[in-house]
Amino acid sequence: DTAVSQTPKYLVTQMGNDKSIKCEQNLGHDTMYWYKQDSKKFLKIMFSYNNKELIINETVPNRFSPKSPDKAHLNLHINSLELGDSAVYFCASKDRGWTEAFFGQGTRLTVV
Amino acid sequence: SQQGEEDPQALSIQEGENATMNCSYKTSINNLQWYRQNSGRGLVHLILIRSNEREKHSGRLRVTLDTSKKSSSLLITASRAADTASYFCATDNGNNRLAFGKGNQVVVIP
Repeated sequence: DTAVSQTPKYLVTQMGNDKSIKCEQNLGHDTMYWYKQDSKKFLKIMFSYNNKELIINETVPNRFSPKSPDKAHLNLHINSLELGDSAVYFCASKDRGWTEAFFGQGTRLTVV
Repeated sequence: SQQGEEDPQALSIQEGENATMNCSYKTSINNLQWYRQNSGRGLVHLILIRSNEREKHSGRLRVTLDTSKKSSSLLITASRAADTASYFCATDNGNNRLAFGKGNQVVVIP
């Protein structure tokens, strides 16, 4: 069983469209994250949720809206996609305390 | 926001050699973690070192942490071709913020 799964794995879309990426974890973790990895492989935290509550919201444009219907799911909705949104987006989850994070396989978003 | 920053960013070595990469950060931490990312894949956790620890070993991996210098190093001994990957350090400040740096690309030549 995949611990953290994201769908879709690849997403190609035109500028201006709205798209969603889904993430689910079956580890029972309370904390989930969204990260953006750019072409230089820099991995930047976007959001962190703890038990469905938004904990961290980095300076991300408000076109990005995370939604956590329950603590096992953290979806990312992006409105009015721009070329600069092209990147690989990773979902991750982590248990409480001093523990490691588990990552999904990533969603490669290409905006054309 | 705090970030791990690795140095150097690209390393090419022969199989059997050791690979060392460094990471520096800016603020206080609870622990520091190292991850590996194979091309086109997600990150996989390698090792975690707590702020009160100075050194930790796991198989061929050795991590050091110097909180006075806000730096850490990852040593991979007797490298193998399968170690070819990007390596990231991440700082955990205990407030649900797990911040990553740019990563080191390591290429092990068979």
